[in-house]
Amino acid sequence: GEQVEQRPPHLSVREGDSAVITCTYTDPNSYYFFWYKQEPGASLQLLMKVFSSTEINEGQGFTVLLNKKDKRLSLNLTAAHPGDSAAYFCAVSAYTGGADRLTFGKGTQLIIQP
Amino acid sequence: EAAVTQSPRSKVAVTGGKVTLSCHQTNNHDYMYWYRQDTGHGLRLIHYSYVADSTEKGDIPDGYKASRPSQENFSLILELASLSQTAVYFCASSDGGAKAETLYFGSGTRLTVL
Repeated sequence: GEQVEQRPPHLSVREGDSAVITCTYTDPNSYYFFWYKQEPGASLQLLMKVFSSTEINEGQGFTVLLNKKDKRLSLNLTAAHPGDSAAYFCAVSAYTGGADRLTFGKGTQLIIQP
Repeated sequence: EAAVTQSPRSKVAVTGGKVTLSCHQTNNHDYMYWYRQDTGHGLRLIHYSYVADSTEKGDIPDGYKASRPSQENFSLILELASLSQTAVYFCASSDGGAKAETLYFGSGTRLTVL
């Protein structure tokens, strides 16, 4: 089955700096990719989703880059601010397959220091 | 206004006891899911349902049952709670299958089994 490895597990950057979180996956049939954000004590909310082969999506100060050749998905934060402090999870699903499920990465705890 | 509501928010249970976690959604979604979250792990799918009166096993169904009596309600049942089931449980709903659709999560239930 699909294996998703997310790195790093913890990341601390200063306000205004950039940050990068990366997920690698194993199933070459993976087609749908998601990033979820979980603020402290709160639930998960969708940050961004990517469906295409090689795609850059931008929004909310984040850029998502998908490289299907390398089976790598990255979330890039260009200028961190305190409100970005949260846990971030990637999620991957295959286009084919009988089971309707996502495989989540283990998460990255992002801390923005003033 | 929360569209996916979980109850209780937290619960302490004794080993061997029965625990029922409830989830109610007002999104008019067909799909509902139960995930568990453990420290240092991503979300893992326990059970899901795509229609009332039917449930499907996820990746870690052992020790759990699920019930979907209506489109709006989805319960997770631990018949004999064990220490290893201490975790945070999230319910989610989606319009279509999780492969391609955004998941809308509830606020979570923190379960402690003593």
